[in-house]
Amino acid sequence: EAQVTQNPRYLITVTGKKLTVTCSQNMNHEYMSWYRQDPGLGLRQIYYSMNVEVTDKGDVPEGYKVSRKEKRNFPLILESPSPNQTSLYFCASSTAPGFANLAKNIQYFGAGTRLSVL
Amino acid sequence: ELKVEQNPLFLSMQEGKNYTIYCNYSTTSDRLYWYRQDPGKSLESLFVLLSNGAVKQEGRLMASLDTKARLSTLHITAAVHDLSATYFCAVETSGSRLTFGEGTQLTVNP
Repeated sequence: EAQVTQNPRYLITVTGKKLTVTCSQNMNHEYMSWYRQDPGLGLRQIYYSMNVEVTDKGDVPEGYKVSRKEKRNFPLILESPSPNQTSLYFCASSTAPGFANLAKNIQYFGAGTRLSVL
Repeated sequence: ELKVEQNPLFLSMQEGKNYTIYCNYSTTSDRLYWYRQDPGKSLESLFVLLSNGAVKQEGRLMASLDTKARLSTLHITAAVHDLSATYFCAVETSGSRLTFGEGTQLTVNP
């Protein structure tokens, strides 16, 4: 079954305590991305990756880091979380544009990680 | 800076009625996506629109793209309660960045 798995699903932490949210996909997708969702703002892209060792900033990258050492994994790292990073986070994956039939290039989303930074 | 605006943001409609959600964007793009999100759930891909004039239909939903007007529409035909959800459009720009609209919260009443 095609899956994007995020962990943890819920996390409460304190300001400044480093954390990592993991994301793994089993579809051999090249493209992976992280979004945050806040009320009234829709989803905003944090970082994305076109392939292993290739990452790029989205619209709101400040305060976040990512890495793509393996194709299946794309962890999101908050080195020093702050309360304004309290949000719902989604990881997603798809076939990268140019690599497949784009008409079928749908994005698969993880279940989400609800993060609270106190 | 790319802006993606959806209209309306909230939509309450009766079962059996038709309605259209609009997605306007401010820069050139040939790729537009529509997603559905149920309350407390993740996002589900609905449509991928890849070129000017593209039209996709699935059940009671039909999406279209006019790249010259920088406008996409999601048309709902004979709405049913199961369509109640939040619908997002997202525009892809160079480098495969995705920018989402704010979402349209649709409620279909019996």
